[in-house]
Amino acid sequence: AQSVAQPEDQVNVAEGNPLTVKCTYSVSGNPYLFWYVQYPNRGLQFLLKYITGDNLVKGSYGFEAEFNKSQTSFHLKKPSALVSDSALYFCAVRANTGGFKTIFGAGTRLFVKA
Amino acid sequence: DTGVSQNPRHKITKRGQNVTFRCDPISEHNRLYWYRQTLGQGPEFLTYFQNEAQLEKSRLLSDRFSAERPKGSFSTLEIQRTEQGDSAMYLCASSLVAGGHNEQFFGPGTRLTVL
Repeated sequence: AQSVAQPEDQVNVAEGNPLTVKCTYSVSGNPYLFWYVQYPNRGLQFLLKYITGDNLVKGSYGFEAEFNKSQTSFHLKKPSALVSDSALYFCAVRANTGGFKTIFGAGTRLFVKA
Repeated sequence: DTGVSQNPRHKITKRGQNVTFRCDPISEHNRLYWYRQTLGQGPEFLTYFQNEAQLEKSRLLSDRFSAERPKGSFSTLEIQRTEQGDSAMYLCASSLVAGGHNEQFFGPGTRLTVL
């Protein structure tokens, strides 16, 4: 069975500091991994994905994520946080075999203080 | 603006009534997904379509829930005999599964409140 864990309900960082939002997953076979962001009163927006290839993937708004197969992790990172990055972030996983059911984590709320 | 639209945006109904939601995906997208999201949780998979075929349904989807995508374009999600536990945000997403495109584009959701 597929599952996603986001161990932190909330992450607090100061503007200009690096940020990390953690995600670990469990899936049969090789994973397709995604990060989405949800701003207040807006729909989920795609940030980045890992399908295959380079373990470090770059996405929208300066975000990047590193796929680590041995640790089954896909942590979201940004070198310098902005106040406007404050939002709810969701990690998601799909197996690359048999179906397209995508499982989302419970979300991590990011607060960036000025 | 992701291009996926959902109607209505809000629905308040009394327990026992039927409700129907509509999703219009991005026009060239062949896959359409329905999710349910409650406060403090991530989107919970309900079902998905490839073109007009419903390929997978969550075990969480009781017999009171039915979804259709009759012409492979828009989709409807109907909940019969609503219960208070059905109160949630219902999200629709679409994707184009070709050439490595796998990300889903989400609509704004329909918030259902069952009194």
